[in-house]
Amino acid sequence: GDSVTQMEGPVTLSEEAFLTINCTYTATGYPSLFWYVQYPGEGLQLLLKATKADDKGSNKGFEATYRKETTSFHLEKGSVQVSDSAVYFCALLQGAQKLVFGQGTRLTINP
Amino acid sequence: NAGVTQTPKFQVLKTGQSMTLQCAQDMNHNSMYWYRQDPGMGLRLIYYSASEGTTDKGEVPNGYNVSRLNKREFSLRLESAAPSQTSVYFCASSEYLGRGGAFFGQGTRLTVV
Repeated sequence: GDSVTQMEGPVTLSEEAFLTINCTYTATGYPSLFWYVQYPGEGLQLLLKATKADDKGSNKGFEATYRKETTSFHLEKGSVQVSDSAVYFCALLQGAQKLVFGQGTRLTINP
Repeated sequence: NAGVTQTPKFQVLKTGQSMTLQCAQDMNHNSMYWYRQDPGMGLRLIYYSASEGTTDKGEVPNGYNVSRLNKREFSLRLESAAPSQTSVYFCASSEYLGRGGAFFGQGTRLTVV
């Protein structure tokens, strides 16, 4: 079945560092791909998405490009802030109603 | 601007007890979902309702039942709680997942002892 694999966490960086969180997927066809973010004590929020190959999703300085050749959707940010500390989830859309999530990557940014 | 509201936020149950988790959304979305979140496993879909009057099983439905009470409300029931159901439960809603993604509630932390 479809699955999503994220890099193991936790990830700890200093403020203004460059961030990459790796995400690869296994799926039939070319599903829509998402990054969700979960801040402490809250539910998940959609961060960005891409619906087809070579699409780039972007939001709040974060970017991810849908790479069908490598079945990847890595999350990047050029300069992280303390406020970016959260858990990040990569996900794919299976059919019309099922989001399949990766295991999540906890990110901590130190000042 | 409530979005998706879940109650309760925290609950402790004894093994064998029953309870219902409530969820309501005010965005007029057709689809609603229940997920559970466990450490190292991401979120897994328990049940979903694509529209009022319909419900379908997700990846981990055993031990749960759901009711789509109306377009706004979607409840999750544990008939006989087990320690394996200790988890954080999230309700979500969506008009179309592929376009706007899902909107999540703040979660219910359930402990079964």
